[in-house]
Amino acid sequence: QKEVEQDPGPLSVPEGAIVSLNCTYSNSAFQYFMWYRQYSRKGPELLMYTYSSGNKEDGRFTAQVDKSSKYISLFIRDSQPSDSATYLCALSHYNQGGKLIFGQGTELSVKP
Amino acid sequence: DADVTQTPRNRITKTGKRIMLECSQTKGHDRMYWYRQDPGLGLRLIYYSFDVKDINKGEISDGYSVSRQAQAKFSLSLESAIPNQTALYFCATSPRPSGWIGTGELFFGEGSRLTVL
Repeated sequence: QKEVEQDPGPLSVPEGAIVSLNCTYSNSAFQYFMWYRQYSRKGPELLMYTYSSGNKEDGRFTAQVDKSSKYISLFIRDSQPSDSATYLCALSHYNQGGKLIFGQGTELSVKP
Repeated sequence: DADVTQTPRNRITKTGKRIMLECSQTKGHDRMYWYRQDPGLGLRLIYYSFDVKDINKGEISDGYSVSRQAQAKFSLSLESAIPNQTALYFCATSPRPSGWIGTGELFFGEGSRLTVL
């Protein structure tokens, strides 16, 4: 069983839709939860990070962590064509630096 | 100019050849990483280095070696390339942690696409 599972998609939505991206994980020792965004032919870049259970909002993006269910989500409101990218969840243990465990990535396409 | 630069960006080679992928950074970070990305598998850690004299194996180090020539340079070698090493390779850096915030942000290069025939 993989430590982190993420639906690879692809996911196609119309502009303005609400997008929900999800990951599940198996190891309760994970303490840091991140979402990276990767545009085509580019390296991933950090989009959001959180430490605790609950929600964290940044503009149109909301990251949600439920440690009891080992489930993390990224919500995108009012999605735009510029949001078209691959979204990767990433988790790490305490004091593990950049030794991240990545999900498989979900490819999102937002159609005008 | 990019903060994390990878060369070459694309490479096609044959089975059994020795290949080196190079990474240099201008971010002044101590920590450097090599990840491999495959469709359906996400990113997996090959090797990492927390400073010039520190080299550590990651999740999938077999068939690979690395060299940390300086704080700013970290190269990945495939001594004898095989077709299942065909993948997109990423170099990344991170600063030394300052509280928990420094534990997760990686700064990636644009990738080196390697094809082994």
